[in-house]
Amino acid sequence: EAQVTQNPRYLITVTGKKLTVTCSQNMNHEYMSWYRQDPGLGLRQIYYSMNVEVTDKGDVPEGYKVSRKEKRNFPLILESPSPNQTSLYFCASRTSGSNEQFFGPGTRLTVL
Amino acid sequence: KQEVTQIPAALSVPEGENLVLNCSFTDSAIYNLQWFRQDPGKGLTSLLLIQSSQREQTSGRLNASLDKSSGRSTLYIAASQPGDSATYLCAVSSAGNMLTFGGGTRLMVKP
Repeated sequence: EAQVTQNPRYLITVTGKKLTVTCSQNMNHEYMSWYRQDPGLGLRQIYYSMNVEVTDKGDVPEGYKVSRKEKRNFPLILESPSPNQTSLYFCASRTSGSNEQFFGPGTRLTVL
Repeated sequence: KQEVTQIPAALSVPEGENLVLNCSFTDSAIYNLQWFRQDPGKGLTSLLLIQSSQREQTSGRLNASLDKSSGRSTLYIAASQPGDSATYLCAVSSAGNMLTFGGGTRLMVKP
């Protein structure tokens, strides 16, 4: 089944403790992105990647890092999480030949 | 900077009604516009994608139109059902692979 998977789905952590949210897609898509969704602010793009080893900032990149060492994986790294990064995070992917984005199920992160 | 607005923010209708959700964007230089459905606590499901050169797309009871010059799109849902209850999001794709989302319309269809 073609899909985007994220892990973990739920995470509660404390300020300053490094964490990684994984994202993987099995559709051989070139483009991958990370978004966060907050009440009243909607979905905002954090980072995106156009292909392996090619990444760029979105609207709200501060406090986040990404890497794209393999085509199928696009992990989101929070080196020193803070409470304002408590949010619902989505990973998405698409092929370069189509603009239709496919989203993962989301990761709900709480930073205490 | 692209801004996307959705009106209304919330809508409650009785089952069977035809309804229209609105989406407007400030920069008409878009590649495409996509409508999504989001159920509570869940991810986004793509409903319809309209390329910038297209005027409308249809899928079942859903019809989406695009007027790029005026910066507007509408999602028409025919014969609404309780199972249509969800939040509907529109998103425009602009230069630099940026996808900008509207705030969504929360739809409740009452039996």
